[in-house]
Amino acid sequence: AQSVTQLDSQVPVFEEAPVELRCNYSSSVSVYLFWYVQYPNQGLQLLLKYLSGSTLVKGINGFEAEFNKSQTSFHLRKPSVHISDTAEYFCAVSLPSGGYQKVTFGTGTKLQVIP
Amino acid sequence: SQTIHQWPATLVQPVGSPLSLECTVEGTSNPNLYWYRQAAGRGLQLLFYSVGIGQISSEVPQNLSASRPQDRQFILSSKKLLLSDSGFYLCAWRWTGATGELFFGEGSRLTVL
Repeated sequence: AQSVTQLDSQVPVFEEAPVELRCNYSSSVSVYLFWYVQYPNQGLQLLLKYLSGSTLVKGINGFEAEFNKSQTSFHLRKPSVHISDTAEYFCAVSLPSGGYQKVTFGTGTKLQVIP
Repeated sequence: SQTIHQWPATLVQPVGSPLSLECTVEGTSNPNLYWYRQAAGRGLQLLFYSVGIGQISSEVPQNLSASRPQDRQFILSSKKLLLSDSGFYLCAWRWTGATGELFFGEGSRLTVL
């Protein structure tokens, strides 16, 4: 079974500073990886996804993530954050098989951008 | 385009009362449907998923049940709510056989008093 670990429950960062949100996964087979963002009292929205190919994935709102198979990591980065990036971010993993696919989420990281 | 609707958005219910949360998807057919619960600091817990009408799978034993009476309708229910049922409930859908990307509704916040 696959699992996801987000070690940082909260990350404070000053506006216009860079940020990295960490995600590590565990799986015995290849996986698909996702980052979602959740603004207060809203559902989750997909930021980016890694399915195969280039290990550097670019998403919406200037975010990017790098898949590292040897370290089983999929860290999310942004070179310069804005106040509007304040939200909770979830890493998720799914197995690339047909039919039903269980999506497993991490416990989330709250990004607080400080003016 | 596809849309997902969830209601009610907020709900305050006494312990022991029944519950019904509804979710509908528009613009697609035969989606996989999911109910997640989100509790503070615990991420998203998958409660139920469905791959077709009348086909419900439960991930964890609990005080809740789910039904899929129509292709694009997913209902979360309880006969008697517990305090521990409080949380933010999210409905989601996904194309069958696709890459696993989920599309979420806006959520329903349930407070059990």
